[in-house]
Amino acid sequence: QKEVEQNSGPLSVPEGAIASLNCTYSDRGSQSFFWYRQYSGKSPELIMFIYSNGDKEDGRFTAQLNKASQYVSLLIRDSQPSDSATYLCAVLTGTASKLTFGTGTRLQVTL
Amino acid sequence: KAGVTQTPRYLIKTRGQQVTLSCSPISGHRSVSWYQQTPGQGLQFLFEYFSETQRNKGNFPGRFSGRQFSNSRSEMNVSTLELGDSALYLCASSSQGSGNTIYFGEGSWLTVV
Repeated sequence: QKEVEQNSGPLSVPEGAIASLNCTYSDRGSQSFFWYRQYSGKSPELIMFIYSNGDKEDGRFTAQLNKASQYVSLLIRDSQPSDSATYLCAVLTGTASKLTFGTGTRLQVTL
Repeated sequence: KAGVTQTPRYLIKTRGQQVTLSCSPISGHRSVSWYQQTPGQGLQFLFEYFSETQRNKGNFPGRFSGRQFSNSRSEMNVSTLELGDSALYLCASSSQGSGNTIYFGEGSWLTVV
């Protein structure tokens, strides 16, 4: 079983719709959860991080964490073509800054 | 506030050579970690340094090494390069080393021929 799992996609949503990206993790000791956006040929860009159960909102983005079910999700409201990218879920376990990444979900926002 | 700076951005090396990559973290950040990204393996953790000490190491051969200086700048070195070392090498910095916000640099693209 992979430590962090994401559906590779592509996930295709029309412009203006809500995109829902999901991630599950295996280590119950995981403490913090990160979402990064990565455009082709670029480095990952931090979108949000969350460490408490529940929702965390930042603009059009909402991260949701459910530690009991070991999943974290990212909702993107009013999706724009510029949101088309690969979204990486990353999990932090332990005191060191070691992130374990999923393989990423490719999002395509269509006109 | 300047972000994470990595140099060089692009480089081409020959098999058997060695390479040194440099990373300057965000001012005030004491934790620097390194990752390798390849199409086949995705993003994999190499190692992390905090206050000049290696705190964690990933599953990479000993050809991959790193260090951190007193000003928190870090270098990683890959010796005896192999074709499979061709990848994007990413440096990330964090403020307290305990997993607060972790930001990545633009990366160093290494091609081994």
